Amino acid sequence: AQKITQTQPGMFVQEKEAVTLDCTYDTSDPSYGLFWYKQPSSGEMIFLIYQGSYDQQNATEGRYSLNFQKARKSANLVISASQLGDSAMYFCAMREGAGRVSNAGGTSYGKLTFGQGTILTVHP
Amino acid sequence: DGGITQSPKYLFRKEGQNVTLSCEQNLNHDAMYWYRQDPGQGLRLIYYSQIVNDFQKGDIAEGYSVSREKKESFPLTVTSAQKNPTAFYLCASRGKAGYSYNEQFFGPGTRLTVL
Repeated sequence: AQKITQTQPGMFVQEKEAVTLDCTYDTSDPSYGLFWYKQPSSGEMIFLIYQGSYDQQNATEGRYSLNFQKARKSANLVISASQLGDSAMYFCAMREGAGRVSNAGGTSYGKLTFGQGTILTVHP
Repeated sequence: DGGITQSPKYLFRKEGQNVTLSCEQNLNHDAMYWYRQDPGQGLRLIYYSQIVNDFQKGDIAEGYSVSREKKESFPLTVTSAQKNPTAFYLCASRGKAGYSYNEQFFGPGTRLTVL
């Protein structure tokens, strides 16, 4: 089953307008983290914003905010005042658990599951 | 400057050949990861390592191998057993295990093409 679902293959927005990129997730673990990354055409992955499952408030980072609705298992990214440089692929990702121990004795922190991505195009 | 470097940026391989992708980080991070990305798709985890001399298979480890002899380095070998190796490969690292949420930092990626 898909753990992270991004249902919008592509989105268009006018420069200076706001846009919402959808992300829903599936987990039975009470402790998890949700991340959004931006991938420009160069291929690098740029971290944008994080939301923890126990965080009481929605995360914000500059023009990025995360609309976290825990009961609906959604973590939508809102970009305000879109800029031409925002045109890129955007990925939602989830990290489950907090301290599962692997067979080798290390902890399983850090494994991310990614969605399929949404291509955002900002028009002038 | 601190960061993650991957080399080469572009790599061409003939069918049946093994090839090794380099990943180095000077962030003093404990954990390192290898992901594969196919066109228009998300990232899939190949292997990860939480500490030196330890690594774990990810979701698509078949046809790949890794080593973690040094904290700074986590090379990925794409073997001839990998049936469809043409893809974009991304290496990532993350800070000290035990922090609650710190993000993964990614390298610039290596684009592998099998001729």
